[in-house]
Amino acid sequence: QITLKESGPTLVKPTQTLTLTCTFSGFSLSTSGVGVGWIRQPPGKALEWLALIYWNDDKRYSPSLKSRLTITKDTSKNQVVLTMTNMDPVDTATYYCAHRPYYGSGQFDPWGQGTLVTVSS
Amino acid sequence: DIQMTQSPSSVSASVGDRVTITCRASQGISSWLAWYQQKPGKAPKLLIYAASSLQSGVPSRFSGSGSGTDFTLTISSLQPEDFATYYCQQANSFPLTFGQGTRLEIK
Repeated sequence: QITLKESGPTLVKPTQTLTLTCTFSGFSLSTSGVGVGWIRQPPGKALEWLALIYWNDDKRYSPSLKSRLTITKDTSKNQVVLTMTNMDPVDTATYYCAHRPYYGSGQFDPWGQGTLVTVSS
Repeated sequence: DIQMTQSPSSVSASVGDRVTITCRASQGISSWLAWYQQKPGKAPKLLIYAASSLQSGVPSRFSGSGSGTDFTLTISSLQPEDFATYYCQQANSFPLTFGQGTRLEIK
């Protein structure tokens, strides 16, 4: 059974850097084709993809946020870390990490429970 | 970027109804499309991948079809637990993009 769980601060101040950790089990991020992605959802709004890291350390970012995002993995710890710099109140959202299986069509399954991050002074 | 447009944005229906939600891509994405269901306060749940493949454990009343730019999600006979918001997502090219969501409400 694959599970993922996000952890990190629930409140950050504007201009600060957000660091979120996704800790997972039930799969290995060294398996060919596998990836872990980050997706966020502002309150009452739609889903927005942020970043994706593959088993081979290939990394992809949302172009609109690329300058602010860094995604890394620690295969031995079964963790993926997302950092987002220069946080702003518009970045207030629930942040999800999700497993991207080696098969299929680039879908995410399953997702973590999400963590709500509020940006406020 | 590939824009994903869902219609309708919201729909009211009754238990037992057949409901169809559409998703249109701004350019061809072959079958690189997934559908998710999200209930309030919960993470999205994968229903359909590769446009028409039913995820394991998902009831067979859910089905997906389409390729290229036009896709549909159909619920053949609505159950009370199906009232939720549904999203499509393309993975043909980066950046990955989601539709704006379709809220399925009880009539």
